[in-house]
Amino acid sequence: ETGVTQTPRHLVMGMTNKKSLKCEQHLGHNAMYWYKQSAKKPLELMFVYNFKEQTENNSVPSRFSPECPNSSHLFLHLHTLQPEDSALYLCASSYGTGGIYEQYFGPGTRLTVT
Amino acid sequence: KNQVEQSPQSLIILEGKNCTLQCNYTVSPFSNLRWYKQDTGRGPVSLTIMTFSENTKSNGRYTATLDADTKQSSLHITASQLSDSASYICVVRPNNAGNMLTFGGGTRLMVKP
Repeated sequence: ETGVTQTPRHLVMGMTNKKSLKCEQHLGHNAMYWYKQSAKKPLELMFVYNFKEQTENNSVPSRFSPECPNSSHLFLHLHTLQPEDSALYLCASSYGTGGIYEQYFGPGTRLTVT
Repeated sequence: KNQVEQSPQSLIILEGKNCTLQCNYTVSPFSNLRWYKQDTGRGPVSLTIMTFSENTKSNGRYTATLDADTKQSSLHITASQLSDSASYICVVRPNNAGNMLTFGGGTRLMVKP
């Protein structure tokens, strides 16, 4: 285990539902990330938080809303999603956001939008 | 546009054999290049990380090489095991990229008994 946990591991939701993904890191890191991994596509960075402040929003649609209440917890609130949003959503953390800092990934949440 | 391309897309080898995965990138200049292993249904786990000035880095049976002149990296797996079956992802961090990493599409390796 890498010290980054994600819940739930699997989620099926309709397009009108509202759900949230949770990520928690136990590594004492200051930065946390949300990535989207679609089938046969490279990982796409969605959001970055450093010391609880959002430092990156990679042109993500507003139906995805991140929340970072502290350096150990990160949420991704979902509402009115589309079927093309079905993917593996990965959370990662690192000590810092620059240079050589290693990112440690959680196991991901497999999201299916019906 | 920065790109990281990996080949082959998929590979099947017999247990005990060696294999080499390729990564070509156009990112320049870059800070470091990483190889990750991603088991099915799990998040990526770092195998190696090399700065632009390093040529090779080993982690057990995994050896990564880097040629900054030709913008190529390779990951060599020695004496493959069934547990090596996974996707292997090449990731490049450009200079002055802030938080952005450029990910390759991965090579899916299957090791058969």
